[in-house]
Amino acid sequence: DVKVTQSSRYLVKRTGEKVFLECVQDMDHENMFWYRQDPGLGLRLIYFSYDVKMKEKGDIPEGYSVSREKKERFSLILESASTNQTSMYLCASPPPQPNTEAFFGQGTRLTVV
Amino acid sequence: AQSVAQPEDQVNVAEGNPLTVKCTYSVSGNPYLFWYVQYPNRGLQFLLKYITGDNLVKGSYGFEAEFNKSQTSFHLKKPSALVSDSALYFCAVRGPTGGSYIPTFGRGTSLIVHP
Repeated sequence: DVKVTQSSRYLVKRTGEKVFLECVQDMDHENMFWYRQDPGLGLRLIYFSYDVKMKEKGDIPEGYSVSREKKERFSLILESASTNQTSMYLCASPPPQPNTEAFFGQGTRLTVV
Repeated sequence: AQSVAQPEDQVNVAEGNPLTVKCTYSVSGNPYLFWYVQYPNRGLQFLLKYITGDNLVKGSYGFEAEFNKSQTSFHLKKPSALVSDSALYFCAVRGPTGGSYIPTFGRGTSLIVHP
């Protein structure tokens, strides 16, 4: 019954490393989203994609990029990881109809040291 | 721009007592409203949603929510809380058109149910 899968539950990376967070969905959805979750700030949208090779900036894109080469896979890239990017990262795939709920991955807790 | 407010960072309730987690929203047009729950170090799980019709919607694990258009609110409720309900709860809104289809989430409310 798995619908959205994130490749790692926990990651520890060093400052300056290039980090890839992978997300795969099996629902054939066009939409895929990356959120960042921090205590007291809720979920903040980093990037989203509504089609293959299409991407749009969300509210906090600085320091991140994304890749969507195939419909089922949406990757979040930290070009040069910094300690302020230590956070929980959530991938979501909502159906296009606005009256439908989003499906979330289990989250990746990233620590940058 | 659409927005969601959850005015309480934390709600404490005794087991067996009723609980309410508050949410207000702002969106152009008719809203689609959602509640999600998150357990520690997990992703968000869908609880219930309001689309149209009856203002009281029922969802998973005995939760329900009341939509109030005049107060732009969508409060989550449960008649009798369980210790296992302790988790982080998020309210979300999707608008009917254009870029508003992107889900917008509140900051979350931590529910703590005491034995």
